[in-house]
Amino acid sequence: KNQVEQSPQSLIILEGKNCTLQCNYTVSPFSNLRWYKQDTGRGPVSLTIMTFSENTKSNGRYTATLDADTKQSSLHITASQLSDSASYICVVSGTNAGKSTFGDGTTLTVKP
Amino acid sequence: NAGVMQNPRHLVRRRGQEARLRCSPMKGHSHVYWYRQLPEEGLKFMVYLQKENIIDESGMPKERFSAEFPKEGPSILRIQQVVRGDSAAYFCASSPTAGGIDEQYFGPGTRLTVT
Repeated sequence: KNQVEQSPQSLIILEGKNCTLQCNYTVSPFSNLRWYKQDTGRGPVSLTIMTFSENTKSNGRYTATLDADTKQSSLHITASQLSDSASYICVVSGTNAGKSTFGDGTTLTVKP
Repeated sequence: NAGVMQNPRHLVRRRGQEARLRCSPMKGHSHVYWYRQLPEEGLKFMVYLQKENIIDESGMPKERFSAEFPKEGPSILRIQQVVRGDSAAYFCASSPTAGGIDEQYFGPGTRLTVT
């Protein structure tokens, strides 16, 4: 069964600090992995998308890594800002047509 | 290029009434996905549609829920005889191709409250 597990479930950090969110998956055969940011009351917005051959991708202060061998990904946030407070969702797609598998998300709170 | 549009943004229904949620995909996108997000929970897949076809409805409750994506017009998620447990945010996403290969672009969601 395809599964995506994210950790931690929630995280509180001080503004300016770095943090790393984890995503482990069992989706096979693998096609791509995406990280989304979902602000409270809004729809998810894509941060990064990585295919099998990519092991790191950056988008501003966000850097995602992918280890397709261990089926793990991480999202590193540098120099956090208050606006980074949101839910971060890991989404993994297989090569079969149809739905992707969503993680339950990590809720990040950045405090001043 | 307008993003994915959903309406209404907020919908209040009494138990037993019908709820109709609409989703207009991005221009050029012919694949639509519906997700439900219960309070304090993650997004859960409901149904995947292409124009005039339901491709995967494995996440859709067997009763009271239906979805369509007609040749013309928006995709519709219909919930008949709503119950309190249907209160949730319903998100629609669209993509230009199938199989999750491409990024899914999400709409702002419809927040359904059943009283």
